[in-house]
Amino acid sequence: AQTVTQSQPEMSVQEAETVTLSCTYDTSENNYYLFWYKQPPSRQMILVIRQEAYKQQNATENRFSVNFQKAAKSFSLKISDSQLGDTAMYFCAFMKGGGGADGLTFGKGTHLIIQP
Amino acid sequence: DAGITQSPRHKVTETGTPVTLRCHQTENHRYMYWYRQDPGHGLRLIHYSYGVKDTDKGEVSDGYSVSRSKTEDFLLTLESATSSQTSVYFCAISDSGSSAKWETQYFGPGTRLLVL
Repeated sequence: AQTVTQSQPEMSVQEAETVTLSCTYDTSENNYYLFWYKQPPSRQMILVIRQEAYKQQNATENRFSVNFQKAAKSFSLKISDSQLGDTAMYFCAFMKGGGGADGLTFGKGTHLIIQP
Repeated sequence: DAGITQSPRHKVTETGTPVTLRCHQTENHRYMYWYRQDPGHGLRLIHYSYGVKDTDKGEVSDGYSVSRSKTEDFLLTLESATSSQTSVYFCAISDSGSSAKWETQYFGPGTRLLVL
């Protein structure tokens, strides 16, 4: 079984600052995918970014980027130029590769607050 | 946004009563999932479906059953609701085909269930 750990229950930064959210995972799989989801107060789960484990290059989506360290089983999310709308819960998630039916294993989340 | 609706969006029920939650998609995606979200636990997989009439258990399936008689609908049933099933329930979908399709899960808006 896989486990995903987010060690920061809550973080707070000023608008326009850069913030990094931590995520570590444990798995014996070699083929897998990692995700960051955002959940604003509306409760909608929004995909922020995804990373294929077989890719060495870190994924980037506009202001969002990841630092994927496969050997260390670490998958952190960096948000640059943070905005008030980034205030949300952020969940790290893992999925085994090789098929389509497996569900996601989530961490417990980090509550990110962007202060004006 | 993926065309996923959940009904009802809110429900209050009493212990011992049956409850059915519905997930409806307009994307013709093959895979469908039910998760529950509780404080301190992130999201956990209850059941999933990999086709019409093809379902399987997830991490927290006890007390729940599912059915999928059509591609677009995935029903979650609590046969006899208990207070421990008070939660927010999310449906998700993903497609088959290339890995880029099935590895990405898109979520519905959620159903808040309160069991008194």
